[in-house]
Amino acid sequence: GAVVSQHPSWVICKSGTSVKIECRSLDFQATTMFWYRQFPKQSLMLMATSNEGSKATYEQGVEKDKFLINHASLTLSTLTVTSAHPEDSSFYICSAPDRGRSQPQHFGDGTRLSIL
Amino acid sequence: DAKTTQPPSMDCAEGRAANLPCNHSTISGNEYVYWYRQIHSQGPQYIIHGLKNNETNEMASLIITEDRKSSTLILPHATLRDTAVYYCIVRVTTGGFKTIFGAGTRLFVKA
Repeated sequence: GAVVSQHPSWVICKSGTSVKIECRSLDFQATTMFWYRQFPKQSLMLMATSNEGSKATYEQGVEKDKFLINHASLTLSTLTVTSAHPEDSSFYICSAPDRGRSQPQHFGDGTRLSIL
Repeated sequence: DAKTTQPPSMDCAEGRAANLPCNHSTISGNEYVYWYRQIHSQGPQYIIHGLKNNETNEMASLIITEDRKSSTLILPHATLRDTAVYYCIVRVTTGGFKTIFGAGTRLFVKA
């Protein structure tokens, strides 16, 4: 079946650095991908919609200059957390809708980001 | 997209059927019902979805009431590995395909 691969699975870095997370659709093309953030014991919160060949659409309250999204090809979207700080530490998850009108989302395994 | 209501937690004995309810009383005619689950520290996993007919696959069954205002996910023989948070989501299939998560139901399967 369709698979979404996310990399890295875990990253630890110092405050002030930028971190890039990749999301790939492995056996299907995705013109749209989604990025979520999840804090401990909470549900997933949609951050933004990544659109191939155009600008991402951000949900209300998400800083687009802080969370840069690039969807350069039909199989790859990247999320860059710029100048990361400890409060950006979270579990980041991407997803892509499968082919077809009613088909479900496929999710990556997530990236656990820890900022020291 | 329509809002869903799920119990925050449920227990189930291993080997028994787990029946997880979901209320979606404001669902529109073009919205599907999807179920996902999230095992600790992993991304969500798709389980099943349907529009108005009952559906079954190798993982679960989905029972949707005739008025479509509620549904039940059935795990026929729950195992310890089914312990997870289960999310019921209703979503249109046009536009951006955004999937918005509620709080879900935390299912504990006990030996």
